[in-house]
Amino acid sequence: DGGITQSPKYLFRKEGQNVTLSCEQNLNHDAMYWYRQDPGQGLRLIYYSQIVNDFQKGDIAEGYSVSREKKESFPLTVTSAQKNPTAFYHCASSPGVLMNTEAFFGQGTRLTVV
Amino acid sequence: DQQVKQNSPSLSVQEGRISILNCDYTNSMFDYFLWYKKYPAEGPTFLISISSIKDKNEDGRFTVFLNKSAKHLSLHIVPSQPGDSAVYFCASLSYNTDKLIFGTGTRLQVFP
Repeated sequence: DGGITQSPKYLFRKEGQNVTLSCEQNLNHDAMYWYRQDPGQGLRLIYYSQIVNDFQKGDIAEGYSVSREKKESFPLTVTSAQKNPTAFYHCASSPGVLMNTEAFFGQGTRLTVV
Repeated sequence: DQQVKQNSPSLSVQEGRISILNCDYTNSMFDYFLWYKKYPAEGPTFLISISSIKDKNEDGRFTVFLNKSAKHLSLHIVPSQPGDSAVYFCASLSYNTDKLIFGTGTRLQVFP
């Protein structure tokens, strides 16, 4: 059963701690994305990766880091440098630029920093 | 710099009527456009897309129109149903890149 999995759905962390959000896909997609959504706002691009071992900053990359060591995995680390980390985080994947098709999203992770 | 804009944060439509959601973009390099639907506490789900070589794409009750000269696209839902109540996002892909940019969303409410 192919899909994209984010875990956990809800995550709580203390202020000042780094936290890593998991994103795994078994769709054999080349491209993967991380977005942040705040209440009443749209999805803002944090990082994206077109291929293994390569990634680019999106519009709001400060305070975040990613890795793409495997095609199926694109973890996002929210560092203590991110001033307002509490948000809903969405991971997505797509076949890639030459396919011109839709991106598939996971269920999202709600991160709350206290 | 918001490259994809949805200027109406909310829309309320009676069941059975047409819902029209609008989206404007600024980057002429965008060549593929998508609409997503999102329920609270869930990930967005894909609805319909359109390539820049077309001006219309239809899938059941959903039709997307693209006006490249105006850098404008719209999603029409006919007839609207209560289950269509959700937040709708338009998104754009640039030519030769995988950078997928979303608009701010429009909350659609379909009432009986």
